[in-house]
Amino acid sequence: DQQVKQNSPSLSVQEGRISILNCDYTNSMFDYFLWYKKYPAEGPTFLISISSIKDKNEDGRFTVFLNKSAKHLSLHIVPSQPGDSAVYFCAATALQAGKSTFGDGTTLTVKP
Amino acid sequence: NAGVTQTPKFRVLKTGQSMTLLCAQDMNHEYMYWYRQDPGMGLRLIHYSVGEGTTAKGEVPDGYNVSRLKKQNFLLGLESAAPSQTSVYFCASNDRGGPGTQYFGPGTRLLVL
Repeated sequence: DQQVKQNSPSLSVQEGRISILNCDYTNSMFDYFLWYKKYPAEGPTFLISISSIKDKNEDGRFTVFLNKSAKHLSLHIVPSQPGDSAVYFCAATALQAGKSTFGDGTTLTVKP
Repeated sequence: NAGVTQTPKFRVLKTGQSMTLLCAQDMNHEYMYWYRQDPGMGLRLIHYSVGEGTTAKGEVPDGYNVSRLKKQNFLLGLESAAPSQTSVYFCASNDRGGPGTQYFGPGTRLLVL
């Protein structure tokens, strides 16, 4: 039973356009959500996060939206740049448990 | 600060051999984690530790053991390697009481023949 799902394995967008990556979760105990970015042959790096008490968090070109009732979050990248091409992992955390559950990732390709 | 480092970067084992992967962090973090990543899949938690001297099982603990004798180190052991353990292994750490942001090492690529 996969508790965190990223249903799109890949996404391709044109440079300058918006990229929207989606993530669904099933466990209502999750109270913190994070997005990580991963380049080939490197470890994941933290990108942006959101607490369950918020519905939006913005950091430069990156915005994360959380819809608790739908158990859905999304990452918006505007405008997309070729350097954004990477695998993006969604992660959900129950802070008291001290661990996160990761989705399978979405490979984003931004074409020049 | 080096952050999170992993040793070795790459290793080839024969079925039945044993090895230990070392993770070290210099951020004084309480929590440490071992994940494996297989092609097309996300990060699956093998074992984790919420403090020195403690360990706990994650989603896929079978075939692995861990130890956290020092706060800065987290060791992952394979007693008898199997081809199904061919994977990329990532170590991560984060601080107690924080938002759960994990800092990852660069990974260890393991091939079991």
